Amino acid sequence: GIQVEQSPPDLILQEGANSTLRCNFSDSVNNLQWFHQNPWGQLINLFYIPSGTKQNGRLSATTVATERYSLLYISSSQTTDSGVYFCAAGGGFKTIFGAGTRLFVKA
Amino acid sequence: GAVVSQHPSRVICKSGTSVKIECRSLDFQATTMFWYRQFPKKSLMLMATSNEGSKATYEQGVEKDKFLINHASLTLSTLTVTSAHPEDSSFYICSARDPSGGSYEQYFGPGTRLTVT
Repeated sequence: GIQVEQSPPDLILQEGANSTLRCNFSDSVNNLQWFHQNPWGQLINLFYIPSGTKQNGRLSATTVATERYSLLYISSSQTTDSGVYFCAAGGGFKTIFGAGTRLFVKA
Repeated sequence: GAVVSQHPSRVICKSGTSVKIECRSLDFQATTMFWYRQFPKKSLMLMATSNEGSKATYEQGVEKDKFLINHASLTLSTLTVTSAHPEDSSFYICSARDPSGGSYEQYFGPGTRLTVT
């Protein structure tokens, strides 16, 4: 089955800094999603992006399907951006999650 | 946007009892729903794929007699944890795909935190 790898596993930023989170996947996909999991466990859907580029405020994402990776950009980070970011990818019906990137933004 | 709900949000049960978790798609019909499990500080692990009107497909290593899945309608899937034990304590999250627009995007419920004492 598809393998999904995220990097880095942990990231500490100073408020205001920019960051890039990476997601590599082992096979072609028809589903690629980025999530932020809040402290209560709810998955906040950031992007559905099996290919191309999207932007939403300070967040943007790019997926290069032919090279099997996706990037999540966070600009001007805020303390409220702290938490775990998951990439999830699927090539058929199933969607598999990466291990996540744990982000901490310091004030 | 598409909304998925779960009930209950939190449940505590005694060892040996069974617990049922409901997953509903509120504003779309979901022919396929998915059940995930998450341990503390870990990622989400796919347990099974639930198809309306047919048997669920379980991932390798998931006991189908322990985790009973029923997808009786296009808007409801249930996960029953049978004869629960403390090691079944976990965060269970369901998701559903809205096939009407041709997208493979999955919409996730808020999760159910199960504690077995």
